[in-house]
Amino acid sequence: EAGVTQSPTHLIKTRGQQATLRCSPISGHTSVYWYQQALGLGLQFLLWYDEGEERNRGNFPPRFSGRQFPNYSSELNVNALELEDSALYLCASSLALRRGNEQFFGPGTRLTVL
Amino acid sequence: AQSVSQHNHHVILSEAASLELGCNYSYGGTVNLFWYVQYPGQHLQLLLKYFSGDPLVKGIKGFEAEFIKSKFSFNLRKPSVQWSDTAEYFCAANNNAGNMLTFGGGTRLMVKP
Repeated sequence: EAGVTQSPTHLIKTRGQQATLRCSPISGHTSVYWYQQALGLGLQFLLWYDEGEERNRGNFPPRFSGRQFPNYSSELNVNALELEDSALYLCASSLALRRGNEQFFGPGTRLTVL
Repeated sequence: AQSVSQHNHHVILSEAASLELGCNYSYGGTVNLFWYVQYPGQHLQLLLKYFSGDPLVKGIKGFEAEFIKSKFSFNLRKPSVQWSDTAEYFCAANNNAGNMLTFGGGTRLMVKP
């Protein structure tokens, strides 16, 4: 069974540009989560999509946005990049809402903003 | 506010030593608890989880954790660590099925051979 995949592996952008990160969940998983792992800040929840809808978002500005496609893959868009957006962005997927379901994580996209 | 805290940021042990990593949570309502591990260069992967039943949970690679409701704790234990356990360990929680995880700050474990 293929795991969660993310692309690209690395992304280098300059301040003010836009970044698009992509995630493919495990087959059969309908929920996709995005997390930011920034140096010194730990893992922070960004966005949660399920069945194509945004279910919840973390404490991040509106320039962080995303969507989920009919095949349950997802993309994260970060507009007007700032230096502090440099981080590892992790995507996770899980089965439909059910208590105790674990989230399976992808390898992440390392975003560097210069 | 929902939060998860891990007491130890860095732990260094010798092989065969016993391990206990602390985790405390602050959550309203019913809580689900998880321990994830991130080996160098690898994905986050689940070690074990608790959502109901026996408060002593056994996971992969000989790890276990005990849910103590009165102490709001979910400490991770292993009786005898190996060099291959060198990794970063994250405690996490959520309180609804499928809801987002709140992570602790992580504990970097180094096991000396």
